[in-house]
Formats: sequence, C-alpha cells, structure tokens
Amino acid sequence: DIQMTQSPSSLSASVGDRVTITCRASQSISSYLSWYQQKPGKAPKLLIYAASTLQSGVPLRFSGSGSGTDFTLTITTLQPEDFATYYCQQSYSTPITFGQGTRLEIK
Amino acid sequence: EVQLEESGGGLIQPGGSLRLSCAASGFSVNSNYMSWVRQGPGRGLEWVSLIQGGDRTYYADSVKGRFTISRDKSKNTLYLQMNSLRVEDTAMYYCARVLPVDSYFGMDVWGPGTTVTVSS
Repeated sequence: DIQMTQSPSSLSASVGDRVTITCRASQSISSYLSWYQQKPGKAPKLLIYAASTLQSGVPLRFSGSGSGTDFTLTITTLQPEDFATYYCQQSYSTPITFGQGTRLEIK
Repeated sequence: EVQLEESGGGLIQPGGSLRLSCAASGFSVNSNYMSWVRQGPGRGLEWVSLIQGGDRTYYADSVKGRFTISRDKSKNTLYLQMNSLRVEDTAMYYCARVLPVDSYFGMDVWGPGTTVTVSS
C-alpha cells in the first residue's frame, strides 16, 4: 500500500497569511494526487486534482504542485472560510489512500 | 444539478448487515467510476471501495469479503452491502463520484454522508 504523509498535522495562521501544506507518498504516484478541504460536519470538497489542476469554482488563492513523491498545497491570502482540515489522496493504485489530515486553525 | 444523497445508515449490532444507498441526480452512476469513503468518529478519511466501468470492483483490505459495492442503472443508485459488521466499521459513510483517468481519478462530487453505528 502507498502511504501518504502530510505535514504539519496542524497549523495556526492568521487571515491574510500564506500557508503551505506538504504531502509525501511512500513511492512515486506520478500526478495522481488530489487535495480536499473538509469543514466540521461536512463532506470533503475537492480543491485540486492531478496534483495541480484547480477544480471548477475553487478560488485562485489555492494552488497545488509536485509530482512523483512530493506535493504541496499552497493557500495565499488566507480567508476566514479557509480554516478547515485538508487531506491529500493518491489514486495511483488501490487501495486508494489519504493523508492523515492537516488542521488549519486561526491564530 | 449534480448531487449525491446517501441513505440506509443506522444503529446495528455487531455481526449484523446493512445496505447503504447513494442516489444520484444530474449524472449517471453507471457511466462513472464511483466510490465509498468512510470517516470514523474524530478520525481521518478512509477509502472503502470503488466500482469501475464494466463493474470491476476494488475493496480496502479491512472490508474485503464483507462489503459489496454495486449499482442499479434503472434507479441511478450506488449501493454498499455491509455484512458481518464490526464495531470498527462505525463511521460516517460517503459516496463520491470519481473523475475519469484523464483527470487522475479525483473525487469531485460527494454526498452529505450517512452514519453507521455498530454497537451492542
């Protein structure tokens, strides 16, 4: 199974900050990497697929990069609605696996 | 509007069975890859199962042999039959549409989820 490791596990930031979350795969997954945002009591929401493609309707302050084993999600100019938990997910092979999540909190 | 709506969750004793349903609107479940993902209380996301075109199916090791994914074209509905339920199967269960291969299989549409609680 491919292990996905996110860092940090939690992060405190202020409105207007730029934040970066990293995700590392235990083996190469090419660009089969997606990022999701989840708010309490809600279903996950797709932000980025194919490592760097912004899902329709997602604000341009979200961006993704990377390929192979190392990936990043960057949020520029944090907005109040961005405080949530973020997950990476590989779909290169089954079992599909998610990172453990990064909780983004207001400082 | 493209939507998914799960149903069928509830409280069940260990060893029991449940069938979850996921009704789709605005697109065909039969023409798309579809998946089930669960989230235990206070825990992260865990992939459960995937059904491809041609009805090829895949399962997490933790549910293999106990859960079965299927779909009904006439009802435009995805199912998850869950047998021999265990306490550790307690979770919110989400169904999701999976993007095609040229979009690298991201999950772009999710239902609100249905809660399964396995307890005596």
